Amino acid sequence: ETGVTQTPRHLVMGMTNKKSLKCEQHLGHNAMYWYKQSAKKPLELMFVYNFKEQTENNSVPSRFSPECPNSSHLFLHLHTLQPEDSALYLCASSQDEGGSYNEQFFGPGTRLTVL
Amino acid sequence: GQNIDQPTEMTATEGAIVQINCTYQTSGFNGLFWYQQHAGEAPTFLSYNVLDGLEEKGRFSSFLSRSKGYSYLLLKELQMKDSASYLCAVRNFNKFYFGSGTKLNVKP
Repeated sequence: ETGVTQTPRHLVMGMTNKKSLKCEQHLGHNAMYWYKQSAKKPLELMFVYNFKEQTENNSVPSRFSPECPNSSHLFLHLHTLQPEDSALYLCASSQDEGGSYNEQFFGPGTRLTVL
Repeated sequence: GQNIDQPTEMTATEGAIVQINCTYQTSGFNGLFWYQQHAGEAPTFLSYNVLDGLEEKGRFSSFLSRSKGYSYLLLKELQMKDSASYLCAVRNFNKFYFGSGTKLNVKP
């Protein structure tokens, strides 16, 4: 149990569907992240939230829309995705305190397949 | 741009020692992390270096040279369960840059 949960674990959707991924962290952290992991490629940082405020959008297409209602929950809303968006989507959290940077704790991921 | 390089795959024998290298070129540096990821699972934290030198945690050690943009992860007394991918990540403020990972195969 890593303290970061993600639902659903697997998702298959058509290109015209709208779906949402959910992440919840039970660690009391103040920063949350979305990553995309494709086969044979590095983890790609998508979005960063610190204290519920988005501090990074790594040139992600608008068909991915994040939402962070509070420091414990993070959503990724999906709309009109493409087959190349099929990947493992990982959520992570960390506690950032001033100049001290702590490790990230990852959730188990959502395996997304876009048909 | 940001560049993190690791070998794609390595093979080692149970009980042996293996060193996984990572070189990086990034616009800023606030620390280097090593993660372990078993197939189908989430990455888990192994070690963190922000100053030059060696950090030791049980069978795992990590080394950093900031002037050379170089780090390595040293795994001692290899066990079959150490078969996994090892990810090197550099932090620049609130951005993390990951390498593609090194797949380690431990054979009996």
